Amino acid sequence: GAGVSQSPSNKVTEKGKDVELRCDPISGHTALYWYRQSLGQGLEFLIYFQGNSAPDKSGLPSDRFSAERTGGSVSTLTIQRTQQEDSAVYLCASSRDGSTDTQYFGPGTRLTVL
Amino acid sequence: GQQLNQSPQSMFIQEGEDVSMNCTSSSIFNTWLWYKQDPGEGPVLLIALYKAGELTSNGRLTAQFGITRKDSFLNISASIPSDVGIYFCAGRVTGGGNKLTFGTGTQLKVEL
Repeated sequence: GAGVSQSPSNKVTEKGKDVELRCDPISGHTALYWYRQSLGQGLEFLIYFQGNSAPDKSGLPSDRFSAERTGGSVSTLTIQRTQQEDSAVYLCASSRDGSTDTQYFGPGTRLTVL
Repeated sequence: GQQLNQSPQSMFIQEGEDVSMNCTSSSIFNTWLWYKQDPGEGPVLLIALYKAGELTSNGRLTAQFGITRKDSFLNISASIPSDVGIYFCAGRVTGGGNKLTFGTGTQLKVEL
């Protein structure tokens, strides 16, 4: 595809349920990032995948959050036992490599936890 | 997580006016980036700065990498309605992978 795509675009869930958010990076990009953007705030780094290296999980806020990247392409961010404070826009980005290359962002998934 | 301090938080200006915004950090960054985000979209890179003191332009946009490496400035000259959006600064440290630390954002509104 031409750019980074994310699905779903909107997700409404009940407190305590698990959710999965999907990211399709730009073809050929080896690096993939997840960020969270709370209402009126900047982006907060969550996790970073680069090639076959172990992911940098230093930004995950709790053990309810996890992410995987299968086959070096598509990534899924999973939030277990969702809480109301998890409500935010979750943005995915990819870059050609993991050094200093430009990150291209997807449109995000808006998660609302009731 | 850490966020950079960005000011002003919002601006409401007349079309044709120049705009300035800045970003400060308590720690050093080796790269400063400026992004723009339109409603319902992800951020788009505007300008990247790689050296302390560097001044870089992209059309009507000019950005500077502060000498102390703890701040950066973005100027927009002769604003037009399509400049409306949220502007974010972002910093990156060498050896930290490519993960970015973002500012809190400046919302720009342009009055015709």
